[in-house]
Amino acid sequence: GESVGLHLPTLSVQEGDNSIINCAYSNSASDYFIWYKQESGKGPQFIIDIRSNMDKRQGQRVTVLLNKTVKHLSLQIAATQPGDSAVYFCAEIPGRGSTLGRLYFGRGTQLTVWP
Amino acid sequence: DAGVTQSPTHLIKTRGQHVTLRCSPISGHKSVSWYQQVLGQGPQFIFQYYEKEERGRGNFPDRFSARQFPNYSSELNVNALLLGDSALYLCASSSGRGERGGADTQYFGPGTRLTVL
Repeated sequence: GESVGLHLPTLSVQEGDNSIINCAYSNSASDYFIWYKQESGKGPQFIIDIRSNMDKRQGQRVTVLLNKTVKHLSLQIAATQPGDSAVYFCAEIPGRGSTLGRLYFGRGTQLTVWP
Repeated sequence: DAGVTQSPTHLIKTRGQHVTLRCSPISGHKSVSWYQQVLGQGPQFIFQYYEKEERGRGNFPDRFSARQFPNYSSELNVNALLLGDSALYLCASSSGRGERGGADTQYFGPGTRLTVL
């Protein structure tokens, strides 16, 4: 079945450094990928998304890279701030049709930013 | 505009009881999805509803049911609660129009923390 996972369960960085959070997926038919940020006690917050026909997409301080050859997704956060401390999830929608709207999540990476 | 709202925020039940969780989507959104998030894991898909019709169901037992109302709000019901049902239950809303060539961005509410004793 579909599987979305993260390489590292925890990541610690110093304030001001860049962060890179990685994600591997197994379903080559996946069409749409999303990164969510989840702070303690809150629901996941949308950060950025990318479709399978793109390699890169940039937002404010965040960049998502998609490598379909090796089925790898990454989230880059520039100038990481203490407020970026949270669990980050990648999620995929495996394709069109009946599975539309069904997000598959990985386990998540806990990002801790030190002052 | 208000985001996705869920009630109650916390709930404590005992085994065998039933529970009803409620969700109001973002104004204008017609699709609601429910997810279960066990501590330390990513959310797992339970149901999706669009225009009051069930659009998808995850790998959950029949004790779990849901419905969507004409105003697009939704309820998730769980019967015969088990200890393993303790989790954060998340509701996500999306437009349902598939503006991204079929896939909608889903926006999550704060969740309902259910504890089963």
